[in-house]
Amino acid sequence: RKEVEQDPGPFNVPEGATVAFNCTYSNSASQSFFWYRQDCRKEPKLLMSVYSSGNEDGRFTAQLNRASQYISLLIRDSKLSDSATYLCVVQRQLTGNQFYFGTGTSLTVIP
Amino acid sequence: NAGVTQTPKFQVLKTGQSMTLQCAQDMNHEYMSWYRQDPGMGLRLIHYSVGAGITDQGEVPNGYNVSRSTTEDFPLRLLSAAPSQTSVYFCASTDRGNSYEQYFGPGTRLTVT
Repeated sequence: RKEVEQDPGPFNVPEGATVAFNCTYSNSASQSFFWYRQDCRKEPKLLMSVYSSGNEDGRFTAQLNRASQYISLLIRDSKLSDSATYLCVVQRQLTGNQFYFGTGTSLTVIP
Repeated sequence: NAGVTQTPKFQVLKTGQSMTLQCAQDMNHEYMSWYRQDPGMGLRLIHYSVGAGITDQGEVPNGYNVSRSTTEDFPLRLLSAAPSQTSVYFCASTDRGNSYEQYFGPGTRLTVT
């Protein structure tokens, strides 16, 4: 079973729409959770960390449900510039800190 | 402040050739790692280092070697390139003092023929 699973999409939404991405992780010992954004042919960049209490950064809201081992990202009022691939990432401590990436969810915002 | 730099950006190798992918960071991060990214597979950890002189294997280490002689540099060596190593390689350094944010280099696109 994969460590992190995401719906690959693609999601094609009109400008101004609200879109939600989901992610599940398999290991209950996972400690930290993140959403990264990756533009085409570029490196991933941190979008936001995800906390148990949920957190919001402008139009972006992330939620974590440890009991269900489920992470979500909500984007409100989508902009053309939000078009990218969104990577769900979990971290846990083994011999060092190890990070596990989902395959990513592709979003295209249409004018 | 350059962040994480990687060279080369593109490389074509023949099967059996060896090469070193360079990675350097100027943020004084102890933790660095190498990933490969393949379509439909996500990023997979090759090797990582928790500090100078300390390295360990990740999920897909076969065919690769690393060393960490300084905090700044973390080169990845391909010992005998194979077509299965055609991929995009990302180096990352991690800020363990700030919620484990990873900073990625721009990537190296490697093709093995």
